[in-house]
Amino acid sequence: EVQLVQSGAEVKKPGESLKISCKGSGYSFTSYWIGWVRQMPGKDLEWMGIIYPGDSDTRYSPSVQGQVTISADKYATTAYLQWSSLRASDTAMYYCARLPYFGPGNHHNAFDHWGQGTLVTVSS
Amino acid sequence: EVVLTQSPEFQSVTPKEKVTITCRASQSIGSNLHWYQQKPNQSPRLLIKHASQSLSGDPSKFSGSGSGTDFTLTINNVEAEDAATYYCHQSSSLPQTFGQGTTVEIK
Repeated sequence: EVQLVQSGAEVKKPGESLKISCKGSGYSFTSYWIGWVRQMPGKDLEWMGIIYPGDSDTRYSPSVQGQVTISADKYATTAYLQWSSLRASDTAMYYCARLPYFGPGNHHNAFDHWGQGTLVTVSS
Repeated sequence: EVVLTQSPEFQSVTPKEKVTITCRASQSIGSNLHWYQQKPNQSPRLLIKHASQSLSGDPSKFSGSGSGTDFTLTINNVEAEDAATYYCHQSSSLPQTFGQGTTVEIK
């Protein structure tokens, strides 16, 4: 069974760092990109970026470039999303999802499985 | 960046009705358009990929059409369990983007 299991909810203060995870199982981890999608409270879905775990090729949305770091460990079959200094505006649900990989730069596919989401709350 | 505009933003329907949601792209995206269903407090679920390939257990329930800039998701014979927000998503170019969502309410 394909599973993407995300780490648990986090409550942090502004300025703190954070790294959340997404562990894939039940499929070949290096046959898919892993993407991160943000959903602020009551809002729509926002594409943040994708990473190919095979070679760590990473693409970011301009809206988050420089604000977060996406990484992956193909041996641990886990992808990560991290912040070095959180802001209150980072409060959101974060989803990871997989997207089939058909070669470098080929990301023209749908997110076919999603994690359960990680709620990040940033408040002083 | 490709902007996806969905309409309507909200639709209230009675059971057994048909729902039609449209998604318009700001530039041509071929058939790289996908549809998701998100129920309250749940993760999104892929319904249709590449504009018209249904992944739901009943292809007659959810269907998609379109190419280029104009796309449609149709939900036939709406039931209470179809109450959700529906999103389109383009994977034609980076950054990938989502539409703003269409909330379907069942009366």
